[in-house]
Amino acid sequence: NAGVTQTPKFQVLKTGQSMTLQCAQDMNHNSMYWYRQDPGMGLRLIYYSASEGTTDKGEVPNGYNVSRLNKREFSLRLESAAPSQTSVYFCASSADRAKGEQYFGPGTRLTVT
Amino acid sequence: QQQVKQSPQSLIVQKGGISIINCAYENTAFDYFPWYQQFPGKGPALLIAIRPDVSEKKEGRFTISFNKSAKQFSLHIMDSQPGDSATYFCALRGQRWGGATNKLIFGTGTLLAVQP
Repeated sequence: NAGVTQTPKFQVLKTGQSMTLQCAQDMNHNSMYWYRQDPGMGLRLIYYSASEGTTDKGEVPNGYNVSRLNKREFSLRLESAAPSQTSVYFCASSADRAKGEQYFGPGTRLTVT
Repeated sequence: QQQVKQSPQSLIVQKGGISIINCAYENTAFDYFPWYQQFPGKGPALLIAIRPDVSEKKEGRFTISFNKSAKQFSLHIMDSQPGDSATYFCALRGQRWGGATNKLIFGTGTLLAVQP
């Protein structure tokens, strides 16, 4: 039982390049989330997904797209990376509202030069 | 988007002391108040959580105090240990946010250092 896994762990991009961050969970959770973490700003929600085939915008969705490929996988795509997207990205998943807890992956540290 | 204000930004406590982190929010339509703990290089992990029908919850050395009328909740770490050194985030879940999801809004974090 690996929980939530993310790839890659580190990535350096040049401005304008594109890339996809991968996330998978093996806990049979319906809901999945993407966050970015920046110093002094806490965790900010980019997009989330309540179930396979559905996605919704969070607080900071501009510049990102997501795909909920199936129940296990939720990917985050940067189409044209900008230096402002330099951050640590976390994927998380959760079961139903009765349980409440979000389980986080180990993160991807992205630098855009 | 609702906001949650977390303080202090950083905290230094001596081993054995009490660490206190506070969060205040602006709306009453929340139904779940968790605290997450994050060690360097790791993802956050749930530490303890409270629902608004109780005023206090204790798990070992960690206690959440909840003041519904003041719209504040706090984390108390008793007998703080060097191993408690981490970043702590409070969070809120709206009663009507995100449908069936556990969509949260997070505070800005408190970096706790417990000195031996």
